[in-house]
Amino acid sequence: DAKTTQPTSMDCAEGRAANLPCNHSTISGNEYVYWYRQIHSQGPQYIIHGLKNNETNEMASLIITEDRKSSTLILPHATLRDTAVYYCILTSGTYKYIFGTGTRLKVLA
Amino acid sequence: NAGVTQTPKFRVLKTGQSMTLLCAQDMNHEYMYWYRQDPGMGLRLIHYSVGEGTTAKGEVPDGYNVSRLKKQNFLLGLESAAPSQTSVYFCASSYSTRGTEAFFGQGTRLTVV
Repeated sequence: DAKTTQPTSMDCAEGRAANLPCNHSTISGNEYVYWYRQIHSQGPQYIIHGLKNNETNEMASLIITEDRKSSTLILPHATLRDTAVYYCILTSGTYKYIFGTGTRLKVLA
Repeated sequence: NAGVTQTPKFRVLKTGQSMTLLCAQDMNHEYMYWYRQDPGMGLRLIHYSVGEGTTAKGEVPDGYNVSRLKKQNFLLGLESAAPSQTSVYFCASSYSTRGTEAFFGQGTRLTVV
């Protein structure tokens, strides 16, 4: 499975957009990019996923570069409840979701 | 619709004791997973299953066994618990890993003394 690289931590002001980067330079053609978050010690929560195209849902937007070597998760208007660890994950037909260490996002009042 | 339910939520074991963690899902998912999470770290895959009657090793399988006798249940066993197995255990299930999301349980906090 290809690996991802994320910054260890980031801060964001409440009400501003939070942009979380993820590098996946060894991604293969059939691998999806998934984003999950974990609030405190709860079970991880699905946010969004994509293959090639940019995606948007009610929680966030996912921007994938044309070469697919990196992506950015955008939380358009961060709130204090968005403080969490965010994981960028690649999956393919290997049936596994392999987590890295993630980015600890702190939303500041 | 309960999603993914883990039993128990908390447990304290003595070194050498055995126990089984139960994961149940009601979404008719084919794939199920067991992860462990140590303090300050991400989740590490222990074992997974791609269907009833099948299991496979993940990243950290040593010291654990699993069984998937029924599609909706995935059991994680510790035959002889060790302090190094103190962790929070998460179960997850998904329809596939290509274009669908995985749903996670709320975790089991296990302490081995």
